[in-house]
Amino acid sequence: TQLLEQSPQFLSIQEGENLTVYCNSSSVFSSLQWYRQEPGEGPVLLVTVVTGGEVKKLKRLTFQFGDARKDSSLHITAAQPGDTGLYLCAGDSGYSTLTFGKGTMLLVSP
Amino acid sequence: DADVTQTPRNRITKTGKRIMLECSQTKGHDRMYWYRQDPGLGLQLIYYSFDVKDINKGEISDGYSVSRQAQAKFSLSLESAIPNQTALYFCATSDTRGPTDTQYFGPGTRLTVL
Repeated sequence: TQLLEQSPQFLSIQEGENLTVYCNSSSVFSSLQWYRQEPGEGPVLLVTVVTGGEVKKLKRLTFQFGDARKDSSLHITAAQPGDTGLYLCAGDSGYSTLTFGKGTMLLVSP
Repeated sequence: DADVTQTPRNRITKTGKRIMLECSQTKGHDRMYWYRQDPGLGLQLIYYSFDVKDINKGEISDGYSVSRQAQAKFSLSLESAIPNQTALYFCATSDTRGPTDTQYFGPGTRLTVL
């Protein structure tokens, strides 16, 4: 069974702070996705990383895929209240279904 | 209009009742999924279907059944609901023609079993 472990599980910070969320596994994935879920809604895809060592930037969000394609990180610079939500990573092994992490709940206070 | 819709959005029922949650999509995707979300447990896959004639069990299928009535419709049934099935349920779709298995989620159904 493939597992994805996310850390931290919960993060409460002030507006303007920086943060990093981690997604780790002992398994290799062909790609890894990050989703954000806001209260009362379903998860929405933020980014997909495919190549080991790949770095993608989405405004203030920076996503990195580990060289061995077993781990990933999400860094947010100067967090804003609008960044509040549940961040989920999901690994695609290329076989059938995605493996989701348990998520990191981020709360950004004004 | 939303690409993936779920009905009902909220449902309160009693132990032992049969419940059906419905999902429809206008994205033209062939793959559809049902997930359950509990606080601290992330998304757990209940059932998935890669086309109309294909149904597969996920990691927590006990107590649930599904029906793929058409490419666009995938319903989830709880034959005899129990309180520990109280959760948020999501339907999702994905497209095998894409380079990666990006999933598109519905807005969710909040189910409470008393």
